[in-house]
Amino acid sequence: SQTIHQWPATLVQPVGSPLSLECTVEGTSNPNLYWYRQAAGRGLQLLFYSVGIGQISSEVPQNLSASRPQDRQFILSSKKLLLSDSGFYLCAWSTLYDTGELFFGEGSRLTVL
Amino acid sequence: AQSVTQPDIHITVSEGASLELRCNYSYGATPYLFWYVQSPGQGLQLLLKYFSGDTLVQGIKGFEAEFKRSQSSFNLRKPSVHWSDAAEYFCAVGARQAGTALIFGKGTTLSVSS
Repeated sequence: SQTIHQWPATLVQPVGSPLSLECTVEGTSNPNLYWYRQAAGRGLQLLFYSVGIGQISSEVPQNLSASRPQDRQFILSSKKLLLSDSGFYLCAWSTLYDTGELFFGEGSRLTVL
Repeated sequence: AQSVTQPDIHITVSEGASLELRCNYSYGATPYLFWYVQSPGQGLQLLLKYFSGDTLVQGIKGFEAEFKRSQSSFNLRKPSVHWSDAAEYFCAVGARQAGTALIFGKGTTLSVSS
């Protein structure tokens, strides 16, 4: 069966520090991968999605970037964190030729101080 | 523009009472429709989905939802709420095209009183 792992689960970082959140999917090949951010009262905001290695689409201009160095690995990064980057980050995957259903990881809680 | 509206930010229901969570969408064509549930500090779990066919779909945990094309709605219902249903619920829409991301509503927080 397919599984998705995100880490770290919790992160507290000072303003201006770098960020790296990692997401790995197991049990499937060629998944579509997504990063969403969830802020209180604002629902889920799509940040990035990827349909293949090295292919990244950005939905919202911001302080963050994403990379997909391997088929089932998706990384969210920042060179210098802002206070506004605080939130709950969710990685998700979907199959390449399926009906769009997303499968979510457990999330990473980022607090920027 | 494509969007999903969940009009109710917070709902409180007594345990054993019925529940309806509203969802309206704006989309160019008939989308795929989903309801997800999120417990505090957790990821999202799919409750049910509508792709085509019967407009009343059954999901896990006793939930159901009805797609009404004329009203652009996909409301979630449960006949008898349990305390364990307290969570945040998200409605989402997606294009009938592989590789596209889902668009989510802002969520409805459900509290269950005893």
